[in-house]
Amino acid sequence: QSALTQPPSASGSPGQSVTISCTGTSSDVGGYDYVSWYQQHPGKAPKLMVYEVSKRPSGVPDRFSGSKSGNTASLTVSGLQAEDEADYYCSSYAGSNNYVVFGGGTNLAVL
Amino acid sequence: QVQLQESGPGLVKPSETLSLTCGVSGFSISSGYYWAWIRQPPGKGLESIGSMYHSGSTYYNPSLKSRVTLSVDTSKNQFYLKLSSVTAADTAVYYCARQHGNHWFDPWGQGTLVTVSS
Repeated sequence: QSALTQPPSASGSPGQSVTISCTGTSSDVGGYDYVSWYQQHPGKAPKLMVYEVSKRPSGVPDRFSGSKSGNTASLTVSGLQAEDEADYYCSSYAGSNNYVVFGGGTNLAVL
Repeated sequence: QVQLQESGPGLVKPSETLSLTCGVSGFSISSGYYWAWIRQPPGKGLESIGSMYHSGSTYYNPSLKSRVTLSVDTSKNQFYLKLSSVTAADTAVYYCARQHGNHWFDPWGQGTLVTVSS
């Protein structure tokens, strides 16, 4: 069982918006602004999409946005494109004793 | 451009020690950042293992801490993972990554599959 809870699947049609949630506790997501999101295509390494809740690395489209409210973080993908179909994982810093924890992943399907 | 590459045996016997190397190019390990290991069992999610600063400071996943040894060789610009007393549950793709401020991981290596089997 993963430390952070994500829905196993999500879907949307091309051009639509989809939001993926990531629920933790006050010891991880709620306690720090250190939530990050990763995209993973089959057989590939994860790719950083969002860090520090809402910041995007250079090269990541602004269609990807992150936010947080309380113990739940969210990743929104706007203007869905076929290439967005992938697994998405959230992670959060959990203090020096617990290090970094991940969510179980969400498979995003573009219908 | 920073690139990382994992290497090591693809098959390890139960109860033995898994040993992996991560070679870094395009950036000097001794210049900063934490250097991390993450794994992903087949068909499952990601799990952090631990990370190490070039000076020796380390962070570990509490569930693996008793079996994990991390080390760095700045002269070779490589860092290493040793996981002892492995079982079939340790079968996974192992990734190395650069870690920013003990928080997010970027970039990642391509990953290497390690199977634990007799």
